Amino acid sequence: AQSVAQPEDQVNVAEGNPLTVKCTYSVSGNPYLFWYVQYPNRGLQFLLKYITGDNLVKGSYGFEAEFNKSQTSFHLKKPSALVSDSALYFCAVSGGNFNKFYFGSGTKLNVKP
Amino acid sequence: NAGVTQTPKFQVLKTGQSMTLQCAQDMNHEYMSWYRQDPGMGLRLIHYSVGAGITDQGEVPNGYNVSRSTTEDFPLRLLSAAPSQTSVYFCASSFGQGVNEQFFGPGTRLTVL
Repeated sequence: AQSVAQPEDQVNVAEGNPLTVKCTYSVSGNPYLFWYVQYPNRGLQFLLKYITGDNLVKGSYGFEAEFNKSQTSFHLKKPSALVSDSALYFCAVSGGNFNKFYFGSGTKLNVKP
Repeated sequence: NAGVTQTPKFQVLKTGQSMTLQCAQDMNHEYMSWYRQDPGMGLRLIHYSVGAGITDQGEVPNGYNVSRSTTEDFPLRLLSAAPSQTSVYFCASSFGQGVNEQFFGPGTRLTVL
């Protein structure tokens, strides 16, 4: 069965510090991995995806993610956090049936000035 | 482009009532989907469609019906609402199928009393 785990409900980081939001997945076959961000009372917005190729994927707003096949992880990272990065972040995976997406439970990122 | 639009934004139903959540996109996307978002559970796929006339079940399809008569519209029907269907519902669309980013609507907050 396909699944996604985001082990941290909340991540707190100071502005200017690096941030990491963790994601692990379970999928049959090769995974397609995604990160989305949700601001309050809004729909989700796409940040980045991994389909194939380079394990380090760069996306919007300075975010990047590293695909690690052996650890089945796809952690989201940013070298220097901004207060405006505070939001809810979701990891998602599709695999096997690439029309079905499975989302993690979300991680709330709090960036303090 | 309006992107993905959803109506209504808010709705309160009584148990047993029926209603249709509307979703439309003007990007000529083949793929459309419906999710529900519940606290601590992330987004769960209800139904999806890969083109006009083609629909399939997602992770949590029970209690919901869909149809796709045009490329633009993908309504979600609740035939007999139950309190367990209280949630925030998101519609999304993407070009092609599973490998592409999804564009999300603003959501419909549904309460079933």
